[in-house]
Amino acid sequence: LAKTTQPISMDSYEGQEVNITCSHNNIATNDYITWYQQFPSQGPRFIIQGYKTKVTNEVASLFIPADRKSSTLSLPRVSLSDTAVYYCLVDPVQRGRRALTFGSGTRLQVQP
Amino acid sequence: SAVISQKPSRDICQRGTSLTIQCQVDSQVTMMFWYRQQPGQSLTLIATANQGSEATYESGFVIDKFPISRPNLTFSTLTVSNMSPEDSSIYLCSVESGGEKLFFGSGTQLSVL
Repeated sequence: LAKTTQPISMDSYEGQEVNITCSHNNIATNDYITWYQQFPSQGPRFIIQGYKTKVTNEVASLFIPADRKSSTLSLPRVSLSDTAVYYCLVDPVQRGRRALTFGSGTRLQVQP
Repeated sequence: SAVISQKPSRDICQRGTSLTIQCQVDSQVTMMFWYRQQPGQSLTLIATANQGSEATYESGFVIDKFPISRPNLTFSTLTVSNMSPEDSSIYLCSVESGGEKLFFGSGTQLSVL
C-alpha cells in the first residue's frame, strides 16, 4: 500500500483558506485519494475523495496534479469548528476489501 | 450513509480482565473493521470481520487476544482479553457504505488500571 506523508500540524485563523498537502509517491494506478476528518472523541468522518484533477464538494476541494504523487486538501474560510485532525489516505478501491491504512494525520488548529 | 452505535462508550477495567465491545449498524454490510487508536496516535487496523467466516487479523494482532464475532450483517463484537495497561486505547468500529466511504462509530475509550 502506498505510504502518505503530511505535515504533523498546522495553525490558521478563522476566515482563512487552509491548504494541507499530502505526498504519496508510490500511488498505484487504481488508487484513489481520500481525506477524513476526526474531531476529539469521535471516529473519522469522510470529507472528500478524488482520482485526478480537482474535486469539490460542500465542505472542501481536493487538488490532484497530473502525476498524482501528491494532493492538496483545501478548506475555504475555516472556522473554529474546523479544528481537527485530517488524514490523507491512498485508497485501493476494490469491492469487498476496504481496510484502509491511516497515516499520522495533520492536526489543524484554528485560532479566533 | 451508515449509522454505527458502539457500546460501551468508555470503560475502566482491571488488568487481567476482558471487555467485549459491541458494534451495531443500521444497515446490512458485508465487512466490518475494527481499529485501535492509542492516545495521540493515528488509527491502526486490528482486523476485518466478515459475516460467516473468521476474522482476518493484521500483523501484530492475534485472535486469542482480540477475538471477534460477526453473527449477522449488522452486528459485531470485539473482545479485548487479559487486559494490561498497554491496551488502554480507543477502539473503533467501521463499515463501508454509501459508495466506497468508510463510516465510523464514536469509539470505545478503554482505560486499564
